[in-house]
Amino acid sequence: EAEVAQSPRYKITEKSQAVAFWCDPISGHATLYWYRQILGQGPELLVQFQDESVVDDSQLPKDRFSAERLKGVDSTLKIQPAELGDSAMYLCASSLAGGAVRVTEAFFGQGTRLTVV
Amino acid sequence: RKEVEQDPGPFNVPEGATVAFNCTYSNSASQSFFWYRQDCRKEPKLLMSVYSSGNEDGRFTAQLNRASQYISLLIRDSKLSDSATYLCAVARSGYNKLIFGAGTRLAVHP
Repeated sequence: EAEVAQSPRYKITEKSQAVAFWCDPISGHATLYWYRQILGQGPELLVQFQDESVVDDSQLPKDRFSAERLKGVDSTLKIQPAELGDSAMYLCASSLAGGAVRVTEAFFGQGTRLTVV
Repeated sequence: RKEVEQDPGPFNVPEGATVAFNCTYSNSASQSFFWYRQDCRKEPKLLMSVYSSGNEDGRFTAQLNRASQYISLLIRDSKLSDSATYLCAVARSGYNKLIFGAGTRLAVHP
């Protein structure tokens, strides 16, 4: 069964350091999402890609976060510098549909649990 | 007002009970609806899509009410293994922005 791959699974970093997360979506999925989930809350959309283009990054703290999906396949989310409040689960998801069509189901990777100390 | 709202619960029910959750959405242009299940410290997993005509999968039934802008999830004959957080997700037309609610916790006890 095809899966969304994420790495690392866990990351502990010191405040003010840089940290990066990687995601490889299900093959053929045009849409890729990065979500942040704080314990006890729902996933919050940070950035959404359609192929290699960002279609929504309205909730991405752009002073410290960046995301790219250069070839429209895998993606990297970076935080620099990390702050204590960034501690959360970072989830990547992908879905098949592309463009202005009906949304299809999104499938999640196992996530990266970030702890900033 | 949040775009997608859920009662956080927890819903504490005995095994065998029927339980229902609602999820309200604010954007009338929303056109795709999903229920996900999330176990503690795990990723959300798709439970079912919600179609205009409703959707049933075994003990689980999902309904959409466009007029009142909510979706529902009904679980019949609850099992201990149903204990989890249930997230609803809504997508508008256009570029497929998928928004999640905060989730409803369900605890099924013996």
